[in-house]
Amino acid sequence: AQSVTQLDSHVSVSEGTPVLLRCNYSSSYSPSLFWYVQHPNKGLQLLLKYTSAATLVKGINGFEAEFKKSETSFHLTKPSAHMSDAAEYFCVVSDRYGNKLVFGAGTILRVKS
Amino acid sequence: DTAVSQTPKYLVTQMGNDKSIKCEQNLGHDTMYWYKQDSKKFLKIMFSYNNKELIINETVPNRFSPKSPDKAHLNLHINSLELGDSAVYFCASSRAHRVSTDTQYFGPGTRLTVL
Repeated sequence: AQSVTQLDSHVSVSEGTPVLLRCNYSSSYSPSLFWYVQHPNKGLQLLLKYTSAATLVKGINGFEAEFKKSETSFHLTKPSAHMSDAAEYFCVVSDRYGNKLVFGAGTILRVKS
Repeated sequence: DTAVSQTPKYLVTQMGNDKSIKCEQNLGHDTMYWYKQDSKKFLKIMFSYNNKELIINETVPNRFSPKSPDKAHLNLHINSLELGDSAVYFCASSRAHRVSTDTQYFGPGTRLTVL
């Protein structure tokens, strides 16, 4: 069955420094992969998605992610963190039949001033 | 101009009670979903409806009964509430039921606490 593993439950960075949130997936087929962000007391918002086109995907708010099949990874990056980036981030994979999304456990990003 | 709204935002109730959570989307989408986020923050699909028809029922106890009176609404009714039902419940919608490509838009969540 397909699954995602987010390698860090918490990540702390200083404002203006790069962000790296790591995600590995397990799938026996070519998956669709997503990153969602959840700000406190808000619903989840799509940051970006990979659907078998370009392997480097650009999303909103300066985030991007690279699909690496050889490493089964889909890490999320941003060159320079902003205070407003503090939130929880979920890596997500669609199931084989495209019927449902499978969520990772989430990574809480803290941004220090 | 909220896209996906849920009511109530917080719900505290006693074991054994029956409660409902309402969800409405004004995006004109055909597909709606209910997710449960447990205390460990894992989000899991419970149900999905496409054009008022049930598509996915992810082995949820039959105490949970979704009701879709029209495409814009998907309500969740829970009978005989148990302690383990305590969680945050998220409603979502998408244009169609192409999960791999159609973006899902989430509501703000309903935090249910069963005492």
